[in-house]
Amino acid sequence: AQTVTQSQPEMSVQEAETVTLSCTYDTSESNYYLFWYKQPPSRQMILVIRQEAYKQQNATENRFSVNFQKAAKSFSLKISDSQLGDTAMYFCAFTDAGGTSYGKLTFGQGTILTVHP
Amino acid sequence: GAGVSQSPRYKVAKRGQDVALRCDPISGHVSLFWYQQALGQGPEFLTYFQNEAQLDKSGLPSDRFFAERPEGSVSTLKIQRTQQEDSAVYLCASSPGTGGSEQYFGPGTRLTVT
Repeated sequence: AQTVTQSQPEMSVQEAETVTLSCTYDTSESNYYLFWYKQPPSRQMILVIRQEAYKQQNATENRFSVNFQKAAKSFSLKISDSQLGDTAMYFCAFTDAGGTSYGKLTFGQGTILTVHP
Repeated sequence: GAGVSQSPRYKVAKRGQDVALRCDPISGHVSLFWYQQALGQGPEFLTYFQNEAQLDKSGLPSDRFFAERPEGSVSTLKIQRTQQEDSAVYLCASSPGTGGSEQYFGPGTRLTVT
């Protein structure tokens, strides 16, 4: 079974600064997807960034980038130029890329990020 | 276009009552997922549909939980004889392809069992 671990229950950062959220995972699969989701207090889960395991290049989306270390099974999220709207719970998630029910997401416990003005 | 919608947004049930939670996925999306999210925790997988076929129900916590998607579009999650431990937010997500490498989530239904 896959597991996803986020070891930082809470993080805080000043507006315009950079913050990194950590995530480790465990799997025996060789092909899979990793995700970071953002869940603001309004509760709607929003996809921030996605990484395909077979791609060596780290994914980037504007101010968001990941550091994907496949051998170490590590997948951290870097948020640059933090904005007040980035305040939310962030979840790391994993899914297999094969099988009849691939797409089933396994989530970590979440990290509450607070951006201070 | 319209995103995933869920209704009701909030539901209060007395212990022992049956409840039905509805999910309207994005039009044309093949895959549909249900997740349960306890307060302050990450969502946990309940069940997965590919069109009308329920391919994985391994996450349903007991036989009191039942899900259906009879026409491959709208889905209903039914909980019979609700218990206090069923209190949670129930999230629905849909994906355009077979599988879920690109899941779009609804706002969730917060169920409180008193």
